[in-house]
Amino acid sequence: DIQMTQSPSSLSASVGDRVTITCRASQNIANYLNWYQQKPGRAPKVLIFAASRLQTGVPSRFSAYGSGTEFTLTIASLQPEDFATYYCQQTFSTLHSFGQGTKLEIK
Amino acid sequence: EEQLLESGGGLVKPGGSLRLSCAASGFSVKDFYMDWVRQAPGKGLEWVGRSKTKAYNHTVDHAASVQGRFTISRDDSKNSLYLQMSGLRSEDTALYYCARTYYDPWSGYFWLDIWGQGSLVIVSS
Repeated sequence: DIQMTQSPSSLSASVGDRVTITCRASQNIANYLNWYQQKPGRAPKVLIFAASRLQTGVPSRFSAYGSGTEFTLTIASLQPEDFATYYCQQTFSTLHSFGQGTKLEIK
Repeated sequence: EEQLLESGGGLVKPGGSLRLSCAASGFSVKDFYMDWVRQAPGKGLEWVGRSKTKAYNHTVDHAASVQGRFTISRDDSKNSLYLQMSGLRSEDTALYYCARTYYDPWSGYFWLDIWGQGSLVIVSS
């Protein structure tokens, strides 16, 4: 099975900050990597697919990059609505898997 | 509006069985791969499995943690997805989400684009 590891597990930041979350795969997954955002009490929402493609309707302050085993999600200028938990997901193997999540909190 | 609605969750004793249902509206499940994802209380997301479309013989894949105990099925005529769970353990306690998979066959990319609100399963004596 492919293991996905996110860092950090939690992050405190302020509105307007630029933040980056990293996701590492235990083996090469090319660019079969998605990013989701989940707010408390809500279902997750896809932000990025294919490692760097922004889902329709997602603000352009979100960007992502990576290929192989290392991937990043960057939020250029944090807005109040961005404080949430973020998950990466690999879809390279038949059995898909998620990272453990990164909780982004207000400083 | 495209929506998914899960049902069938509840309290079950260890070793017991439960069947979750997921009813789709606003789109036809026959055209999409459909996934189950679970989330234990206060924990992260765990992929449970996937049902492919008729074009792929309704092939089902399950995560290793549920293989042999859980079975995903679908009824395209009822526009629904199911998760049959047996041999339940305390570690199966979670909110179970049904999700639609967007699959681009040309690129091979998958992503979960529509999610239900989840159905809570509690395994406890």
